[in-house]
Amino acid sequence: GENVEQHPSTLSVQEGDSAVIKCTYSDSASNYFPWYKQELGKRPQLIIDIRSNVGEKKDQRIAVTLNKTAKHFSLHITETQPEDSAVYFCAARKRYGNKLVFGAGTILRVKS
Amino acid sequence: DAGVIQSPRHEVTEMGQEVTLRCKPISGHDYLFWYRQTMMRGLELLIYFNNNVPIDDSGMPEDRFSAKMPNASFSTLKIQPSEPRDSAVYFCASSPPSGSTGELFFGEGSRLTVL
Repeated sequence: GENVEQHPSTLSVQEGDSAVIKCTYSDSASNYFPWYKQELGKRPQLIIDIRSNVGEKKDQRIAVTLNKTAKHFSLHITETQPEDSAVYFCAARKRYGNKLVFGAGTILRVKS
Repeated sequence: DAGVIQSPRHEVTEMGQEVTLRCKPISGHDYLFWYRQTMMRGLELLIYFNNNVPIDDSGMPEDRFSAKMPNASFSTLKIQPSEPRDSAVYFCASSPPSGSTGELFFGEGSRLTVL
């Protein structure tokens, strides 16, 4: 089955700096890669996703890149703010109706 | 829509007791997922349903765990008997029919503590 690895497990950045979180997946048939943000004590919520027919997607300060050949994808947050502090999870899925497999999560701390 | 609704939000019970967690998915969503979250194991998929039918229960830890979805608007996750290692946050999530984005919408979670 699918296996998703996520790095780093914790990341501290200064406010205004960029943060990058990387994930690799094992199943070359996976074609949907979402990122979820979970604030302390809250539920995970989707912040951005990418499908295998595109290499990059951007939404304001957040961008995701996908390298299908290498089977890895990354989340980029620019101009980080204290409210970006949270746990971020990447995930992968083969096709609609298959289960979504999550990475272990990255604790992001933005220091002001 | 009120989103995915889970109950109870918090449950404290003693080892050996039966625990039932409940979930109401978003109306119109035909996929329902049960996840368990712990510090050690992260977000683990326990089981998921499509149109009330269990599709994959390979994540259910052992026979003490069972899940049902008697209709499109209700699902339960039962642990009997409960053990301290079952302590975790249990999330229910739903997803709309195929053809849409495929986003998972999570409930607020049920925090279970087994003493």
